[in-house]
Amino acid sequence: AQSVTQLGSHVSVSEGALVLLRCNYSSSVPPYLFWYVQYPNQGLQLLLKYTSAATLVKGINGFEAEFKKSETSFHLTKPSAHMSDAAEYFCAVNTEGFQKLVFGTGTRLLVSP
Amino acid sequence: EAQVTQNPRYLITVTGKKLTVTCSQNMNHEYMSWYRQDPGLGLRQIYYSMNVEVTDKGDVPEGYKVSRKEKRNFPLILESPSPNQTSLYFCASSPTGYSNQPQHFGDGTRLSIL
Repeated sequence: AQSVTQLGSHVSVSEGALVLLRCNYSSSVPPYLFWYVQYPNQGLQLLLKYTSAATLVKGINGFEAEFKKSETSFHLTKPSAHMSDAAEYFCAVNTEGFQKLVFGTGTRLLVSP
Repeated sequence: EAQVTQNPRYLITVTGKKLTVTCSQNMNHEYMSWYRQDPGLGLRQIYYSMNVEVTDKGDVPEGYKVSRKEKRNFPLILESPSPNQTSLYFCASSPTGYSNQPQHFGDGTRLSIL
């Protein structure tokens, strides 16, 4: 069965600092991987997705993620945090032949001035 | 504007009073799904639909019903709500049921059942 682990329910950074949100997945077959962001009182928005093309994936708002098969990881990074990045971030995996997204438990990113 | 619309956004009700949360998408998507979000548990799938008249259980279907009579609509029905169904609910859609396509989410419905 597929599963996703997000390390750290809360991550705090200062404005301008590197953002690193961790995601590890469990799958016996090549996965499709997604990062979503949830701002307060809003639904989830797609940040980026890995669908077996380039292993370094660039998304919106300056975020990127690298698929590392050997480490079964898909960590999300951004070189310089902005106050507007404060939100909850979800990693999700899909390894079935059809839509069956499995979400991690989420990481809340806090950005201080 | 392409969107998934849920109504109501907020609802407080009492145990046993039937309620329906509507979901509508204007993107002609085949696939639709309902999730519930609870603190520390992430999003869990309740039901999904691959197309009109095709629905199936997700991971936490107990206490919920769905129907898909039209492509654009996918209502979630709680026949006899209980306090453990207090949660934040999201509807999502995707162009097809293929696993490499992202899902588009509504803004959520916060249900409180007393």
